[in-house]
Amino acid sequence: QLLESGGGLVHPGGSLRLSCAASEFTFSNYAMSWVRQAPGKGLEWVSGTDGSGGITYYADFVKGRFTISRDNSKNTLYLQMNSLRGEDTAVYYCARAPVYIAVAGRAPKWFDPWGQGTLVTVSS
Amino acid sequence: QSALTQPASVSGSPGQSITISCTGTSSDVGSYNLVSWYQQHPGKAPKLIIFEVTKRPSGVSHRFSGSKSGNTASLTISGLQAEDEADYYCCSYAGSSTEFGGGTKLTVL
Repeated sequence: QLLESGGGLVHPGGSLRLSCAASEFTFSNYAMSWVRQAPGKGLEWVSGTDGSGGITYYADFVKGRFTISRDNSKNTLYLQMNSLRGEDTAVYYCARAPVYIAVAGRAPKWFDPWGQGTLVTVSS
Repeated sequence: QSALTQPASVSGSPGQSITISCTGTSSDVGSYNLVSWYQQHPGKAPKLIIFEVTKRPSGVSHRFSGSKSGNTASLTISGLQAEDEADYYCCSYAGSSTEFGGGTKLTVL
């Protein structure tokens, strides 16, 4: 089970840290990801990390602004979001996401299960 | 604009079969057997229903099946039921990223 928290209203340029508490599985054994969904729009992969947290990977549109991390002692995944923009407004989901590694790059293979999501609204 | 192209909507009557297409390129769908499909009911989180093009997670109905030909993947739902009415998203590994389609709204008439 995955339970996100930390969403809310933030001004443009502001920061927010999302959390995702995991239970009922051995958290450190699994790569994890964040996926977002803008209101009325489709799904968009944001960032992922391996089981140890030592390897992280990002979608191009968040590189340098968002940082993914995890604390395996607390079974918790995080997403630190800085320099937030209006287009970052979305429901943010965490998901277990095994990673595929190829010459072309490292990215999730699929997402399962998903948390219930937390809404981030960026507005003045 | 989504990287993978899906029809905006499809519809079918109970008991019928429908197919949702997902068109990518030789850099994503065409090069890797890493297409997945998700079902999302209004206000709910997405649910994985197909992974690695054709595989069903435990607990997912056999009425859901996936396939791929060239740069296009497809999701087929047979024996349509009222509870199948939802949004469906395809997804593919694409090298340094994972891409989603824009989603298809399935209406059960």
